[in-house]
Amino acid sequence: DVKVTQSSRYLVKRTGEKVFLECVQDMDHENMFWYRQDPGLGLRLIYFSYDVKMKEKGDIPEGYSVSREKKERFSLILESASTNQTSMYLCASSYPTDDTDTQYFGPGTRLTVL
Amino acid sequence: AQSVAQPEDQVNVAEGNPLTVKCTYSVSGNPYLFWYVQYPNRGLQFLLKYITGDNLVKGSYGFEAEFNKSQTSFHLKKPSALVSDSALYFCAVSGTYKYIFGTGTRLKVLA
Repeated sequence: DVKVTQSSRYLVKRTGEKVFLECVQDMDHENMFWYRQDPGLGLRLIYFSYDVKMKEKGDIPEGYSVSREKKERFSLILESASTNQTSMYLCASSYPTDDTDTQYFGPGTRLTVL
Repeated sequence: AQSVAQPEDQVNVAEGNPLTVKCTYSVSGNPYLFWYVQYPNRGLQFLLKYITGDNLVKGSYGFEAEFNKSQTSFHLKKPSALVSDSALYFCAVSGTYKYIFGTGTRLKVLA
């Protein structure tokens, strides 16, 4: 079974702090994704990566950056956390054959910024 | 631009009754459609997907989905609902390695 893990289930940070969210997958997937989930808005793509050291902006990249130094690990960075970044963050991975690929999700990190 | 719509924020159904969660899509080209379920405080779990072929797709936990090209719909169905099916359901369309998700439908199955 594919396993995608995220470093924290719950996180509380203060405005202005730098925040790191880590995601690790164990299936040798090349594609990895970061989404945020907000009530009434569904899931929105922040960034994705299709290879080590490669990254692409998603629909809402502002205020975020990412790092992919190793194939299995994809980090989301909030350079200076703000209250409007309070949300559920979900990581996913997929094997890149084509658009029919299934994405596999981690359990999520619920981030609260005070 | 690709898009997905889930017109119902919440669906209530009695245990044992059939359930339907609606999804409509707008894509150029072939649609690749997915359903995911999210239980409280959990990530999304894959249920099923439509790529091509048979319009009725069978998935996990007894769920199935019907692809209707003329109505651009991909409704999720189950013949007999269980209380444990209560969760948040998301429809998604895939394109250029990215998913576009609907806003989600909360299913509540009443005992």
